[in-house]
Amino acid sequence: DAKTTQPTSMDCAEGRAANLPCNHSTISGNEYVYWYRQIHSQGPQYIIHGLKNNETNEMASLIITEDRKSSTLILPHATLRDTAVYYCIVRVAAAAGNKLTFGGGTRVLVKP
Amino acid sequence: DSGVTQTPKHLITATGQRVTLRCSPRSGDLSVYWYQQSLDQGLQFLIQYYNGEERAKGNILERFSAQQFPDLHSELNLSSLELGDSALYFCASSVGYSGANVLTFGAGSRLTVL
Repeated sequence: DAKTTQPTSMDCAEGRAANLPCNHSTISGNEYVYWYRQIHSQGPQYIIHGLKNNETNEMASLIITEDRKSSTLILPHATLRDTAVYYCIVRVAAAAGNKLTFGGGTRVLVKP
Repeated sequence: DSGVTQTPKHLITATGQRVTLRCSPRSGDLSVYWYQQSLDQGLQFLIQYYNGEERAKGNILERFSAQQFPDLHSELNLSSLELGDSALYFCASSVGYSGANVLTFGAGSRLTVL
């Protein structure tokens, strides 16, 4: 799986949009970009994933650059409950090697 | 509630002992994954099963073993426990095993080895 690079930590203000960047310059054409988060020792929670196109769901938006070498997770209106470690993961689409490989993630602190 | 059930939630045991962690996947999910999260290692993939068969193996120690039963629940067996095995153990499940399948994680089992 391609390696990802994320900022170690970031703060954002409650009620504002949180933009979390991720670099995955070695991504292959058959690899998805996944985002998960982990709130203080709870089980990781799925947020969103995409292959080429931008994606949006009730939790967040995923913006993938045209060359697919980087992406941004957008939490539109951050709340205190969004404080968590956010993981950007690149994952092969093929049947083999289906596991998620977690890196260090970005520790996001939402402040009042 | 994610639909993935892990038991026990907490377990305290002594070095040298053996424990079994249990995972029931979400209804309809055929694939089960085990992860270990210790303070200094982050989330480490251990092993994956699909419909009873092992599909992928990560950094799982020889003292650890797992299996998935016909009813699709899975057990992770940890033996000859060491202090360093203290960690959170997460189970996840997905419908299939391709990269398009979302993994849903359980709440974890916290193992403390004294």
